[in-house]
Amino acid sequence: QKEVEQDPGPLSVPEGAIVSLNCTYSNSAFQYFMWYRQYSRKGPELLMYTYSSGNKEDGRFTAQVDKSSKYISLFIRDSQPSDSATYLCAMETSGTYKYIFGTGTRLKVLA
Amino acid sequence: EADIYQTPRYLVIGTGKKITLECSQTMGHDKMYWYQQDPGMELHLIHYSYGVNSTEKGDLSSESTVSRIRTEHFPLTLESARPSHTSQYLCASSVASGLYEQYFGPGTRLTVT
Repeated sequence: QKEVEQDPGPLSVPEGAIVSLNCTYSNSAFQYFMWYRQYSRKGPELLMYTYSSGNKEDGRFTAQVDKSSKYISLFIRDSQPSDSATYLCAMETSGTYKYIFGTGTRLKVLA
Repeated sequence: EADIYQTPRYLVIGTGKKITLECSQTMGHDKMYWYQQDPGMELHLIHYSYGVNSTEKGDLSSESTVSRIRTEHFPLTLESARPSHTSQYLCASSVASGLYEQYFGPGTRLTVT
């Protein structure tokens, strides 16, 4: 079983929709949770970063971490065609400096 | 945009050739990483470095080697390329402490024929 599971999609939504992207994990030692966005033929770029449980909001993006369920989510409000990309979750155990990535979810926002 | 660069961006090369993938960053980051990414698969850490003259193998078995002679430079070398090495290679860097955000380069897409 993989340490981090992520639905690969693809996920197609109409412009303006609320998008929910999720990852589950099995290692209870993970403390740092990140979401990266990767456009085609580019490297990943960090979107959101959360330590331990809770919510974090940044503009149209909200990250949620539920450590009791080992489940993290990224919500995108008012989705735009420019949000079309692959979204990768990543997790890290404090002090290891090594990330474990999900496989990524391909999102397509239709104009 | 992150100041981390990779060259070449695309490389097609024959089996048995020696290749070096270059990675440079101008942010003064101590930590640097090499990942391998295949379509539909998670990123796999193949090498990392905590600073000059420090290199470690990652979780994915790799036939590549790395060096870290200068803070800003972290090249990856394949002594004898094979078709199984065909993949996307991503370089990343991060600060030494505190926030562990990794900044990624644009990647090198390698095809070994």
